[in-house]
Amino acid sequence: DAKTTQPPSMDCAEGRAANLPCNHSTISGNEYVYWYRQIHSQGPQYIIHGLKNNETNEMASLIITEDRKSSTLILPHATLRDTAVYYCIVRLNNAGNMLTFGGGTRLMVKP
Amino acid sequence: NAGVMQNPRHLVRRRGQEARLRCSPMKGHSHVYWYRQLPEEGLKFMVYLQKENIIDESGMPKERFSAEFPKEGPSILRIQQVVRGDSAAYFCASSPDLGGSTEAFFGQGTRLTVV
Repeated sequence: DAKTTQPPSMDCAEGRAANLPCNHSTISGNEYVYWYRQIHSQGPQYIIHGLKNNETNEMASLIITEDRKSSTLILPHATLRDTAVYYCIVRLNNAGNMLTFGGGTRLMVKP
Repeated sequence: NAGVMQNPRHLVRRRGQEARLRCSPMKGHSHVYWYRQLPEEGLKFMVYLQKENIIDESGMPKERFSAEFPKEGPSILRIQQVVRGDSAAYFCASSPDLGGSTEAFFGQGTRLTVV
């Protein structure tokens, strides 16, 4: 599975958009980009995933660059409850769905 | 549809005892994954199972740890002769198939404390 690089920490003001970057320069053509988050030692929570196209759901938007070497997770209106560690993961199509977690980005939403 | 259920949520064992952690996957999910998270560290993959089969156990310690996912009932992660270093949060996830576009859902974890 391709390796990802994320900043270790970020701050965001409550109510503002949080933009979390992820580099995955060695991603291969059949690898998806997944985002999960872990709120204070709870179980990781699935957020969103995509292959090439930008994706949006009720939680977030995922913007993937045209060359697929990087992506950005956008939380449009961050709340205090969005404070968590966010993990960007790329995964092979036939890897048995195993997720390999890196260090993630610790997002702190401040009032 | 109930989510992934893990029990117990908290487990305290004395050194040398056995710990049994249970995971019931989501309905319709036949793939189970166990992860361990040591205090202040990231999530580390341990083992991937399908019904009655261990598919990938590359992250399992060679001794004292075993996992199963029987035809009926929950998946079990078993730790024999626990030591203080086994104290961690153990998370289970499940997914419905092998497709790369299928997300895995996690349980709330079992927090094992070895005293």
